[in-house]
Amino acid sequence: QVQLVESGGGVVQPGRSLGLSCAASGFTFRLYGMHWVRQAPGKGLEWVAYISYDGSRVAYADSVKGRFTISRDNSKNTLYLQMNTLRTDDTAVYHCAKVCPGNYPQPFNSWGQGTLVTVSS
Amino acid sequence: DIQMTQSPSTLSASVGDRVTITCRASQSISNSLAWYQQRPGKAPNLLIYKASTLESGVPSRFSGSGSGTEFTLTISSLQPDDFATYYCQQYNTFSPFTFGPGTKVAIK
Repeated sequence: QVQLVESGGGVVQPGRSLGLSCAASGFTFRLYGMHWVRQAPGKGLEWVAYISYDGSRVAYADSVKGRFTISRDNSKNTLYLQMNTLRTDDTAVYHCAKVCPGNYPQPFNSWGQGTLVTVSS
Repeated sequence: DIQMTQSPSTLSASVGDRVTITCRASQSISNSLAWYQQRPGKAPNLLIYKASTLESGVPSRFSGSGSGTEFTLTISSLQPDDFATYYCQQYNTFSPFTFGPGTKVAIK
C-alpha cells in the first residue's frame, strides 16, 4: 500500500534553513504530482507547495514563495522541501501528500504522518 | 485567490445523529471540491472528491453534494469513529489548493 514517510523536522532558529524529505513507496512515484501541506499547532490545514510528476511545474503558497523550494528525485522516490529564512509562523507539522490519479488538478488521496518543524530562538 | 468558509466551526452531536456540514467558496469552483476527515494526531483522510464521489473504502454513511459555490457533507448516522475535524478543499485553480477552516464534530 501507499506509504509516505517524512523526515528532517526539528527545532531551528528564526532566519535559518531546514530541509525536509518524504520517502514514497507502494506506488509508481514518478507518475504522480506531490504536495506539501502544513498544520500549525491547534490550527487548520494550509497548502504549501506542489510539484508535477516530472518536476517541470511547481507552485507555492504566497506565505512561502521565495523562501521555500519543492523538488523531487524520481530515481530515489523522494520528495523534498528546502525551507530558507524560516520564521516563527512556519512552525507546523509538515505533511507530504500524493494526488489522486487523473488530469491536473486533483485532490490528495494519501498523506504522510508529518514531521514537526519548530522555529524558535 | 479563492477563499473557503465552513459552517458550523464546531458541532455537538450524538451517535446515530444525522450531521450536515456546509462549505462555501468565494467564487464558482464547479465540482472541484474534496472533503477530508482528520482525527486528532493523525493525517487527513480523503472522504469525497468531485463534490459527491465517495473515495474507495469510505463508508456509505458519508455523502457529498453541491456545485458552484455551495457544498455539503452529510453523515447519515454518526458513528463513534466519526468524531473528528472535517475540512473541505477546492482544487479548481492551479494555485493555491485552498482548505476551509475546518468543522470539529464533538460528542454531545
